[in-house]
Amino acid sequence: EAGVTQFPSHSVIEKGQTVTLRCDPISGHDNLYWYRRVMGKEIKFLLHFVKESKQDESGMPNNRFLAERTGGTYSTLKVQPAELEDSGVYFCASSQAVMREQYFGPGTRLTVT
Amino acid sequence: AQTVTQSQPEMSVQEAETVTLSCTYDTSESDYYLFWYKQPPSRQMILVIRQEAYKQQNATENRFSVNFQKAAKSFSLKISDSQLGDAAMYFCAYKFNSGAGSYQLTFGKGTKLSVIP
Repeated sequence: EAGVTQFPSHSVIEKGQTVTLRCDPISGHDNLYWYRRVMGKEIKFLLHFVKESKQDESGMPNNRFLAERTGGTYSTLKVQPAELEDSGVYFCASSQAVMREQYFGPGTRLTVT
Repeated sequence: AQTVTQSQPEMSVQEAETVTLSCTYDTSESDYYLFWYKQPPSRQMILVIRQEAYKQQNATENRFSVNFQKAAKSFSLKISDSQLGDAAMYFCAYKFNSGAGSYQLTFGKGTKLSVIP
């Protein structure tokens, strides 16, 4: 069984540009989570999808971040326009049910210059 | 707000020895879950061990065990017979029902464990 995959593994963009991160959860996992770790800080929750619906987006930092999960399969996280403070590692996780273990992807390292 | 504190940014242990990683948390909830995740260099984060707050018995997974002190809000991880493959960043995490039907994880900053051959 394939694990959670994320693309790209690393992205370097200039301030003001747009970047889209993609996450493919484990097949059959209805729950998909986005987290972010800024350098030297804790891993922070961004949002949670149940199928295609946003269950909880309380961690989204501002309206420059847009997450989608069309069809309840893969998810994208778009940052537009990117700012320097958006640099960090973005993790995606999925779980079969909210009470079950969250399986993490390898992360996307975003560098905004 | 719920917080998780890992007071040891870095730790080292001799191969075959035992090491304990510390974690404390702050919560007013009575029903929650605690986890230790491991992230080896350039690899995915994986779950090492989990503990349900309502269970008094400490969780154990092979060489990994926890010391869960609910009243003290402490959740330390003990690694016995350390192996080179245990070298990784270890994250302590807490999960609860945020009230929005979302069981988000709250993480500590992590402890980088080095294993000395």
